[in-house]
Amino acid sequence: ETGVTQSPTHLIKTRGQQVTLRCSSQSGHNTVSWYQQALGQGPQFIFQYYREEENGRGNFPPRFSGLQFPNYSSELNVNALELDDSALYLCASSFASRLDIQYFGAGTRLSVL
Amino acid sequence: QQQVKQSPQSLIVQKGGIPIINCAYENTAFDYFPWYQQFPGKGPALLIAIRPDVSEKKEGRFTISFNKSAKQFSLHIMDSQPGDSATYFCAASNNNDMRFGAGTRLTVKP
Repeated sequence: ETGVTQSPTHLIKTRGQQVTLRCSSQSGHNTVSWYQQALGQGPQFIFQYYREEENGRGNFPPRFSGLQFPNYSSELNVNALELDDSALYLCASSFASRLDIQYFGAGTRLSVL
Repeated sequence: QQQVKQSPQSLIVQKGGIPIINCAYENTAFDYFPWYQQFPGKGPALLIAIRPDVSEKKEGRFTISFNKSAKQFSLHIMDSQPGDSATYFCAASNNNDMRFGAGTRLTVKP
């Protein structure tokens, strides 16, 4: 096990709703990155948080937002959910802002109906 | 915006065989090339990684070959075992961005 925990493990929402996903990073890691993994696809980088600030962002609209807390845990918020947002959302933690060695959680499976 | 292309999509080998998975990238700013292994219901786990200043790296049964001029890299699994059956992802990253390939589902038959 990596020490990265995500909650909840599964979630069902309807189109237009808002969702918050949570991640606790591995002890000693101060950087959290979020990824979206559609079925049968590789993870897509959403954004990274380092020292409580966004430190890089992939090609995702502003309705995907995040937070990092002083204890380095993190939240991913998605507003105005769309059917295409259905995916596995992965959180990964690492030390410093580099992505060299990052440890992934098991993910949150989000279904949008 | 696919910046890392991975092939094949799926691969079946017999136990003891040497599966090879290939990846190609576009952005020359990438400076770190990891491979991840993912089992069903789990997050990806780092398997092995390479930087562009070396052409090959070996860790146990896993070897990465890297061709900087061609912007290609590949994973070789020596003496493959049924327990290696999983989905493998290549990736390319720089300081604060990581791009994954679409994955290769490997099946190693006993």
